[in-house]
Amino acid sequence: ETGVTQSPTHLIKTRGQQVTLRCSSQSGHNTVSWYQQALGQGPQFIFQYYREEENGRGNFPPRFSGLQFPNYSSELNVNALELDDSALYLCARSPGPGNSSDEQFFGPGTRLTVL
Amino acid sequence: GESVGLHLPTLSVQEGDNSIINCAYSNSASDYFIWYKQESGKGPQFIIDIRSNMDKRQGQRVTVLLNKTVKHLSLQIAATQPGDSAVYFCAENLGDSWGKLQFGAGTQVVVTP
Repeated sequence: ETGVTQSPTHLIKTRGQQVTLRCSSQSGHNTVSWYQQALGQGPQFIFQYYREEENGRGNFPPRFSGLQFPNYSSELNVNALELDDSALYLCARSPGPGNSSDEQFFGPGTRLTVL
Repeated sequence: GESVGLHLPTLSVQEGDNSIINCAYSNSASDYFIWYKQESGKGPQFIIDIRSNMDKRQGQRVTVLLNKTVKHLSLQIAATQPGDSAVYFCAENLGDSWGKLQFGAGTQVVVTP
């Protein structure tokens, strides 16, 4: 158990729609990172939030956006969905900069299918 | 159901044998490396990590070796068990900031009886 939960577990959308994915964890993990994992590939870093502010972004377009809330929950929003957005979306929590461990705890992911 | 390991390199290992999984990383500035295990339908699970000031670290049945000269990382699993069947990923921090990981392509490990 990593203490990280994601919802929903599965989701089907059509091209052009918008989607919101959610992540929550036990308190104390004030940094959240989101990753996209296409089938048969390793996770790709989307962005990271620290203390409710974006703290770095990977090579993803602006239609991928996020939020982090004071209760440590987080959202990933994707607008104008494309077929290639079909993937497993992973949320990872970690204690935050300055902590002795950089270990990231992953949630089970949300499987998004875009038709 | 669909497999996370589809199209990935596969390592077949007999139960009880030792497994060695290799990984080449790209960023010479990376100072932190992690091995993750991912079972079908689940998120990556932390196995072991190592910092760049070390060349070897041991855990329970696992050892990670780091060769910074050739930018190579390996994971050794002793006495491989059926429960070790999964996809294994190495990950490096991106070097420009803390806590952002770049994952390798992954290796599917299949343990046969």
